[in-house]
Amino acid sequence: AQSVSQHNHHVILSEAASLELGCNYSYGGTVNLFWYVQYPGQHLQLLLKYFSGDPLVKGIKGFEAEFIKSKFSFNLRKPSVQWSDTAEYFCAVNESGGFKTIFGAGTRLFVKA
Amino acid sequence: DVKVTQSSRYLVKRTGEKVFLECVQDMDHENMFWYRQDPGLGLRLIYFSYDVKMKEKGDIPEGYSVSREKKERFSLILESASTNQTSMYLCASRDSGGAVGELFFGEGSRLTVL
Repeated sequence: AQSVSQHNHHVILSEAASLELGCNYSYGGTVNLFWYVQYPGQHLQLLLKYFSGDPLVKGIKGFEAEFIKSKFSFNLRKPSVQWSDTAEYFCAVNESGGFKTIFGAGTRLFVKA
Repeated sequence: DVKVTQSSRYLVKRTGEKVFLECVQDMDHENMFWYRQDPGLGLRLIYFSYDVKMKEKGDIPEGYSVSREKKERFSLILESASTNQTSMYLCASRDSGGAVGELFFGEGSRLTVL
């Protein structure tokens, strides 16, 4: 069965620090990969996605993620975080053409002003 | 702007009560989903529907059922609520076409079972 593992459950950073959130998945076939974000009091929304092509994908608000197929990883990065990036981040995967999207446990990011 | 609307933001029910959670989307999406979100566990799929009147079990269907009589509406039913069903419930929809299946989420329904 598919599974998604997020390495950190809680991360605390100061503004302007760099961010990297780890995500690994287990599935041998072709997958689509996602990062979703949930800001305090708001609904989950898509941050970025990968389905094919350039393994380095760029999303909203300066976020990017790199798909490394050999490592089954899809890590999220941002060079310089802002206080407004405080949120919970979820990595997710679905089998290409499949119905089910599987989510990781989430990482709560707190950015100190 | 895309919209997924969940009928109740907050509910408090007693053990054994029947609970209905309703979700409506205005994007003409074929696929709809119910997840529950719990701290440290992320989102877990309860049920999904790939078309009207069609439904499939997700990873944690026990204690739940669903109904999809119309394309835009997907209901989650707890036949007899229990305290371990206290959670945040998220509805999502997705277009079956397109290259990548991005999910669009509602605001969530926080259910407390006493």
